[in-house]
Parts: sequence; structure tokens; C-alpha cells
Amino acid sequence: GQQVMQIPQYQHVQEGEDFTTYCNSSTTLSNIQWYKQRPGGHPVFLIQLVKSGEVKKQKRLTFQFGEAKKNSSLHITATQTTDVGTYFCVLMDTGRRALTFGSGTRLQVQP
Amino acid sequence: DADVTQTPRNRITKTGKRIMLECSQTKGHDRMYWYRQDPGLGLRLIYYSFDVKDINKGEISDGYSVSRQAQAKFSLSLESAIPNQTALYFCATSDFGPNQPQHFGDGTRLSIL
Repeated sequence: GQQVMQIPQYQHVQEGEDFTTYCNSSTTLSNIQWYKQRPGGHPVFLIQLVKSGEVKKQKRLTFQFGEAKKNSSLHITATQTTDVGTYFCVLMDTGRRALTFGSGTRLQVQP
Repeated sequence: DADVTQTPRNRITKTGKRIMLECSQTKGHDRMYWYRQDPGLGLRLIYYSFDVKDINKGEISDGYSVSRQAQAKFSLSLESAIPNQTALYFCATSDFGPNQPQHFGDGTRLSIL
């Protein structure tokens, strides 16, 4: 199945600093989804990107899909303690018709 | 989502025991999934079902079996549990159609001694 590499694995920031996580694939993706999992919680869907070069914003969160549809990023501006959690990029495995999760980036925000 | 309910929430059991984890949903979704999550790792797909008569193996199906008893119910069984199946298990649902977002239950924390 398709594989995706997500970096960094962990990031610790001071509240107010920006944060970015990256997702890279060796193959062209049909689409990519992003999920957030709070500590002790379950993954929650954030957004889906479909088009080459697509950029979507949700308040302080900016999601990008690369022009070649092989990478994606999530950028958080001015982090808050409520942003703490693990962020997963998730891609559709066309062979299995099911989702494949990246390994996630765990974000810790120091107040 | 409260609409996706997993039972039990926690379970401790011994090696060799048979265990069933249950998932029910009130979202009316056709598609249901079972994942496991190990510390520091992403979710790995065990089995999934696109409707009552459809069962598919995921990335790590060995040692597991599933039953889709109804549209709303999807259970995961460990026939003879082993310690390396200790993990957090999630059930998820999604609506019909490509690229639909998945909705997760709160998870079952399973420990096998």
C-alpha cells in the first residue's frame, strides 16, 4: 500500500509561536485528509485537500497540498494550549479503498 | 463522536483468552472500520466493511476476525489473545462515497497479560 512520511515526530513550542508539520509521499496522491487527536482522545477530522496546489484555512490553521500532489503541510499560526495533540495526515490507499494514517506529529505547547 | 460507541472502554485479560470488542453507530453510515494504535504510532487498519455483506482485510488482520451483524454493528474478535495485541483499538464509520471523513469512537484500551 501507499506510504506517507510525516515530520517532525514531535515538536515543543512556546505559546504564541508558529508550528508546521509536513507530510511526504513518494507517489502521487488523489487526496489527503488531516486529523487531530487530543491526548486521551480519538482522531477528529479537520479537513480534506483534493486539488493540486490547494490551500485551505481554518482560523489559525492553514493546510496546503503540493503542486505535484505528493506532499502536504499544516501550519498553525500563534499556537495556543488548545492546539496540543497529535496531528495526522491520512491518505486514501487506492488499492484497499481505505485510509492509511501517517505516523503523526505530536505538538506540545508550553504556556 | 457519541454516535459511535465502543464497548468495553477498558479491558485487561490473559494470554490465550478470546475477546470481543464491540462497536455500534447511530450515524446511519454504511462503512465501518477497526484500527489499532500503539504508543507513538499512527493508526493501523485491521479490518473494514463497506456494507453488511462486505468484509475486507486491512494492513494487520492476522490474529483478528470481525463480524458485521447489522449496518449499525461491527465487532472485532481476538480468538486467542497474545501480549503484543495490547493496544488502543478504535472503531470508525464513514458515509458512502469516495474520500468521506471518518468518525471515530472513544476507543477501547486493551491489555493482555
